[in-house]
Amino acid sequence: GENVEQHPSTLSVQEGDSAVIKCTYSDSASNYFPWYKQELGKRPQLIIDIRSNVGEKKDQRIAVTLNKTAKHFSLHITETQPEDSAVYFCAASIKGYGGATNKLIFGTGTLLAVQP
Amino acid sequence: GAVVSQHPSRVICKSGTSVKIECRSLDFQATTMFWYRQFPKQSLMLMATSNEGSKATYEQGVEKDKFLINHASLTLSTLTVTSAHPEDSSFYICSAPYSGANVLTFGAGSRLTVL
Repeated sequence: GENVEQHPSTLSVQEGDSAVIKCTYSDSASNYFPWYKQELGKRPQLIIDIRSNVGEKKDQRIAVTLNKTAKHFSLHITETQPEDSAVYFCAASIKGYGGATNKLIFGTGTLLAVQP
Repeated sequence: GAVVSQHPSRVICKSGTSVKIECRSLDFQATTMFWYRQFPKQSLMLMATSNEGSKATYEQGVEKDKFLINHASLTLSTLTVTSAHPEDSSFYICSAPYSGANVLTFGAGSRLTVL
């Protein structure tokens, strides 16, 4: 089955610096890669996603890149702010067979701490 | 936007009792919902896929008799942890896809503590 690896597990940056989180996946059929932000005790919130027909997507300070050949994708946060501190999860879709809905498999998470 | 409501947010129960968690899609229909389990400082582990009108499909290693899932309508899925034990204590989160097949919106989660 699909295996999603995520690195680093923890990341500490100074306010204003950039942060990069990387993920790899194993199933070459995966075609959808979202990133979720989870603050302590709260639900995961979708922050950006990318589909396999696109190599890069940007939304203000957040960008995601995808390398299908290497099966890895990355989250880039620029000009980090203390409120960016949270756990970030990458995910990759698994095709649902027999008409079943695609499933998402999550990476292990990255705890980002932005120091003021 | 799409909202998923999950109740209860916290539940404490005695070992051996059963606990039911509800997940509702408030402003959209969800023929499929997903149940995840999250241990402290760990990732979201997919437990099962809830299917309206048919049986749930469980991930490998998840006991279907332990974690009963019922998708009663297009807006409601329930997870019942039967004969709960302390090792079942965890954060359970449901989610439902909207805006196509992949984009998930999550419930607020239910923290279960089994004494």
